[in-house]
Amino acid sequence: EAGVVQSPRYKIIEKKQPVAFWCNPISGHNTLYWYLQNLGQGPELLIRYENEEAVDDSQLPKDRFSAERLKGVDSTLKIQPAELGDSAVYLCASSLGLASYNEQFFGPGTRLTVL
Amino acid sequence: SQQGEEDPQALSIQEGENATMNCSYKTSINNLQWYRQNSGRGLVHLILIRSNEREKHSGRLRVTLDTSKKSSSLLITASRAADTASYFCATDSAGNMLTFGGGTRLMVKP
Repeated sequence: EAGVVQSPRYKIIEKKQPVAFWCNPISGHNTLYWYLQNLGQGPELLIRYENEEAVDDSQLPKDRFSAERLKGVDSTLKIQPAELGDSAVYLCASSLGLASYNEQFFGPGTRLTVL
Repeated sequence: SQQGEEDPQALSIQEGENATMNCSYKTSINNLQWYRQNSGRGLVHLILIRSNEREKHSGRLRVTLDTSKKSSSLLITASRAADTASYFCATDSAGNMLTFGGGTRLMVKP
């Protein structure tokens, strides 16, 4: 069974440019998460979806970040415009449901470098 | 902000030795989880311990939870070079969200 798929794996852009990350969760997983991980730190939740509904986006910087999960399957996270401080690894995860006891399965992440 | 804080931040041991890492948290929890992250790879769930449990085992892993002290420990016995990774504790919070700590970077030397 395929795991969580993310693309691209690496992205280098100049500041003020837009960038988008794509995630395909494990089949059957209703809940999808986007995390940001800075170097040497743990992941921090940006947004989570239950099917196509964003149930928690309080940590998403809405002035420049947006996300969608239109059909309740794959998801896209966008940054426009990117800033130097956005350089980090963006992780996508999925789980069977919202309850915290559901194991989250993580993708390999997209490493973003903003120059 | 991160609720869980791991200690030590970094740990270096020889293959075959045991590795112990600790996690402290601030607010009451329903469960606590440990994840492992190898260099350049995604996180992998290791074990979950519920707030009414005090100890749990999985293979060479042993996790303890002390809710009175708001702390947990992860013990890896008979460590192997392949155990080299960062280990994160994650606690659930309001709304069933997981909050990760800053991690312990474990180096197991062959």
